[in-house]
Amino acid sequence: QKEVEQNSGPLSVPEGAIASLNCTYSDRGSQSFFWYRQYSGKSPELIMFIYSNGDKEDGRFTAQLNKASQYVSLLIRDSQPSDSATYLCAVAPNQAGTALIFGKGTTLSVSS
Amino acid sequence: GAVVSQHPSWVICKSGTSVKIECRSLDFQATTMFWYRQFPKQSLMLMATSNEGSKATYEQGVEKDKFLINHASLTLSTLTVTSAHPEDSSFYICSANDRDEQYFGPGTRLTVT
Repeated sequence: QKEVEQNSGPLSVPEGAIASLNCTYSDRGSQSFFWYRQYSGKSPELIMFIYSNGDKEDGRFTAQLNKASQYVSLLIRDSQPSDSATYLCAVAPNQAGTALIFGKGTTLSVSS
Repeated sequence: GAVVSQHPSWVICKSGTSVKIECRSLDFQATTMFWYRQFPKQSLMLMATSNEGSKATYEQGVEKDKFLINHASLTLSTLTVTSAHPEDSSFYICSANDRDEQYFGPGTRLTVT
């Protein structure tokens, strides 16, 4: 069974610090990797996606992918209290257009 | 980014009744939409893949006769929860792909009393 694992947290960081969120996946053939942010009672919101090994930066967010280790991470620089949410790692098993497999999410709490 | 809407955003119904949830892609066409369910403090679990013009594909353990899916057009998919029971109370979320990105609707919170 294809699985996506995340540490449920909570991960607590002070405002301005770097938050590091990690995710591992079981299906070595996975092609696409996504990070979503979900506030309580709300639907997931796409933050970033990454397809290739290495780093991808978008503003304060950096996604890192290591397919050999089956590992994907999200770094949030200069964390803000508004970043407090649950972060979901999602993996697409094959080509684009297929349903995503989600991890259970990591809860991030940024204190001011 | 692309926009996916859902209606209603929340619904309360009595046990034994049926509830229909609509999912629309507002500014793009989606031949495939996905229906997820999320219980409190759990992750999203895929229920079914909705295909325009053909039958939906259900995940293992999801009753197709209980969760009826109709994808009548390229912008609309509906999920009908038939004979709802309290254990069906959950957050139902649809999504659709626009090119390589999957966008989620705002979700529908169903409470069955």
